[in-house]
Amino acid sequence: DQQVKQNSPSLSVQEGRISILNCDYTNSMFDYFLWYKKYPAEGPTFLISISSIKDKNEDGRFTVFLNKSAKHLSLHIVPSQPGDSAVYFCAAWETGGFKTIFGAGTRLFVKA
Amino acid sequence: NAGVMQNPRHLVRRRGQEARLRCSPMKGHSHVYWYRQLPEEGLKFMVYLQKENIIDESGMPKERFSAEFPKEGPSILRIQQVVRGDSAAYFCASSQATELNTEAFFGQGTRLTVV
Repeated sequence: DQQVKQNSPSLSVQEGRISILNCDYTNSMFDYFLWYKKYPAEGPTFLISISSIKDKNEDGRFTVFLNKSAKHLSLHIVPSQPGDSAVYFCAAWETGGFKTIFGAGTRLFVKA
Repeated sequence: NAGVMQNPRHLVRRRGQEARLRCSPMKGHSHVYWYRQLPEEGLKFMVYLQKENIIDESGMPKERFSAEFPKEGPSILRIQQVVRGDSAAYFCASSQATELNTEAFFGQGTRLTVV
């Protein structure tokens, strides 16, 4: 039962353009969402998060959008850089719970 | 990732042997989480521990797997009688809070290969 889904296993983008990574969830009790970035042979690192009371959170080149009615969130990276090439995991948790549920990840390739 | 130490980074075991994976959380963090990443899959929650207590082990297989986080020393994930299907990357994360949040940090992982 995949509660957090990232339907695109990979995405290729030209340097300087926008990267949009999508994530869907099924559990309406989730109230906090995070994006993690992972390079090969390293652990995931926290990138950006959003609470369910917001619909947008921005941090530099990274913006996360949340559409609660559609149970959908997206991560926008503008402009994309070759160093952004990594696997991006969408994650969610429910206040009072202990588990953070991760999606399967999307591998982003940013071409120079 | 600085601060959460996992060792070994790579571990090779023959079928039927035991695997012990260690995780030292960041200083001041009393919450430890173990996740497993199978090839081509995302991170799957296994267990959440606080010092000397297992809080949630709902993601851990009922047999052969156990975890502990003693008062002193690292958290240990133990896999007995390993099988090929246990081959995966095992990640530990630590946090000051109950849920993984902006203050949580992952280790670099232990890649277990069962031959």
